[in-house]
Amino acid sequence: QKEVEQNSGPLSVPEGAIASLNCTYSDRGSQSFFWYRQYSGKSPELIMFIYSNGDKEDGRFTAQLNKASQYVSLLIRDSQPSDSATYLCAVDSGGSYIPTFGRGTSLIVHP
Amino acid sequence: DTGVSQDPRHKITKRGQNVTFRCDPISEHNRLYWYRQTLGQGPEFLTYFQNEAQLEKSRLLSDRFSAERPKGSFSTLEIQRTEQGDSAMYLCASSLEHEAFFGQGTRLTVV
Repeated sequence: QKEVEQNSGPLSVPEGAIASLNCTYSDRGSQSFFWYRQYSGKSPELIMFIYSNGDKEDGRFTAQLNKASQYVSLLIRDSQPSDSATYLCAVDSGGSYIPTFGRGTSLIVHP
Repeated sequence: DTGVSQDPRHKITKRGQNVTFRCDPISEHNRLYWYRQTLGQGPEFLTYFQNEAQLEKSRLLSDRFSAERPKGSFSTLEIQRTEQGDSAMYLCASSLEHEAFFGQGTRLTVV
């Protein structure tokens, strides 16, 4: 059973702060890692993907992957109220091409 | 709009009725997924197609659910003899490699 674990939150941060979202996964064979943002009542939107150990930056977003610890994180710098959403972590084992999702972490950025 | 398209966006049906949903993937994407999402949970995998072949189906999926992807283009998901527990958002996603992109979803309410 492939599992992806996220703290459901909510994680509350002030505007301008760094939000740190974490995810662990059970399948050591996992090769592809994704972060999706989901606003209430909307569908998930892909915002980051990472395949190699280390950091990957895209604008205010940084994804961090540590395969040895089976841990992936998303940092959001200069958080804005518009970043308030649920952030879903997804993992696929490469061979399957089927992303398995965590339950998501609710992020609230307050002014 | 060249994104993933789902139809209908909303469906209300009486318990026991059959429903069918349609998904049009991004045109060059050969992989197509169906997920189901309930409030507070992450998307739950239902089934996966590569071109017209259904390669994976969740073991949790009742035999009341069936999906097709004729000619490897659009896909349909049918639920027979709907139950109140089928009420959820049904999400379709497509991908070319590993990054999956979601449609707007179909929200099903069984009354």
